[in-house]
Amino acid sequence: QSALTQPASVSGSPGQSITISCTGSSSDVGDYNYVSWYQRHPGKAPQLMIYDVSNRPSGVSNRFSGSKSGYTASLTISRLQAEDEADYYCSSYTSSSTLVFGGGTKLTVL
Amino acid sequence: EVQLVESGGGLIQPGGSLNLSCAASGFTVSTNYLTWVRQAPGKGLEWVSLIHSGGDTFYADSVKGRFIISRDNSKNTLFLQMSGLRAEDAAVYYCARGLSAGWNFDYWGRGTQVTVSS
Repeated sequence: QSALTQPASVSGSPGQSITISCTGSSSDVGDYNYVSWYQRHPGKAPQLMIYDVSNRPSGVSNRFSGSKSGYTASLTISRLQAEDEADYYCSSYTSSSTLVFGGGTKLTVL
Repeated sequence: EVQLVESGGGLIQPGGSLNLSCAASGFTVSTNYLTWVRQAPGKGLEWVSLIHSGGDTFYADSVKGRFIISRDNSKNTLFLQMSGLRAEDAAVYYCARGLSAGWNFDYWGRGTQVTVSS
């Protein structure tokens, strides 16, 4: 199972919006609405930000939103804040009853 | 409060075996699905294995036949038995709790380091 494709890095200024893409295939992102997004600060455990494509767990800011079109899922962070600087990973359930992660995207807040 | 605490990591020679544990508190392991995820140095997250609340188990192709996931409901603990360890298995191993049916995980442990080297 190949990893999902994410950009290695994205950046934005405080107050702006950014979008991180996550591209898979018909065996994962394209066929299931089981895409999740995780935020990972250095030295900390991953935090679930979005699940099932567009749902936010309790406690996650509504500045974080998720969507999907075809084989590509997206995470959008609006009104960017310094604390959003972190690594972001997407994941998807697959037709092989496995889970696949993206390679991760480093978000830099300028 | 939900907590997951991994243990059992260490230095092991190639071909060796190691057993990881993940002690859970604040919820019951038998009613949630649980997973192991690892991260090798300089690499991203890699899913390893998952056990459903019903007991069904699932593995990444890279570990199938070498790793076994299990749980002890009486101890409220998740396990990962690793054998035939390879250099590429070296990573920090995290356990995590499932949130919904979509294989997403809302609580994670802090991880335990596994080093494979002669």
